Amino acid sequence: AQSVAQPEDQVNVAEGNPLTVKCTYSVSGNPYLFWYVQYPNRGLQFLLKYITGDNLVKGSYGFEAEFNKSQTSFHLKKPSALVSDSALYFCAVRDNNGGFKTIFGAGTRLFVKA
Amino acid sequence: DAGVTQSPTHLIKTRGQHVTLRCSPISGHKSVSWYQQVLGQGPQFIFQYYEKEERGRGNFPDRFSARQFPNYSSELNVNALLLGDSALYLCASSLEASLSYEQYFGPGTRLTVT
Repeated sequence: AQSVAQPEDQVNVAEGNPLTVKCTYSVSGNPYLFWYVQYPNRGLQFLLKYITGDNLVKGSYGFEAEFNKSQTSFHLKKPSALVSDSALYFCAVRDNNGGFKTIFGAGTRLFVKA
Repeated sequence: DAGVTQSPTHLIKTRGQHVTLRCSPISGHKSVSWYQQVLGQGPQFIFQYYEKEERGRGNFPDRFSARQFPNYSSELNVNALLLGDSALYLCASSLEASLSYEQYFGPGTRLTVT
């Protein structure tokens, strides 16, 4: 069965430092991987996706993610964190095994301290 | 351009009642998905509809049903409400039903069952 794991409930980082939010997945075929961000009192916003091709994908607001097939990981990264990046981040995988499901991780709360 | 809209914003119901939630996708988007997000958890997939047909279903009881209209808007219906149905219900639209397309989320409907 498809699954997504975000091993950290919370990540704390100082402004200006690089940040990483971890995600691992389990799918039976080729993964379709996504990152979304949820700000307080706002809906989820799409950040970036990996479908195929280059393992390093770039997205909105300076975020990027690295797909690693051997480690079944899709970690979200940013070279220099901003206080405004503080939010709840969700990794998601789309079911490619004959269905149209999207499975979300439990989320990682990112705190960026000034 | 208007984003995904959902109505109502908040709703309070009593156990055993029925509820209907509504969603209008982004103009031009043909696919609508529904999610349930319980506090502290990631969104759980309920349904995906494309061109008025159900294309995916999550692990929810038959009390949950949905439909999509010719204008691509959608309704989520929940019968015989339980306390455990209290959650934020999110609607998301995408251009097509293909797994590679990102989803755009509405602000959600907060359902409280008492």
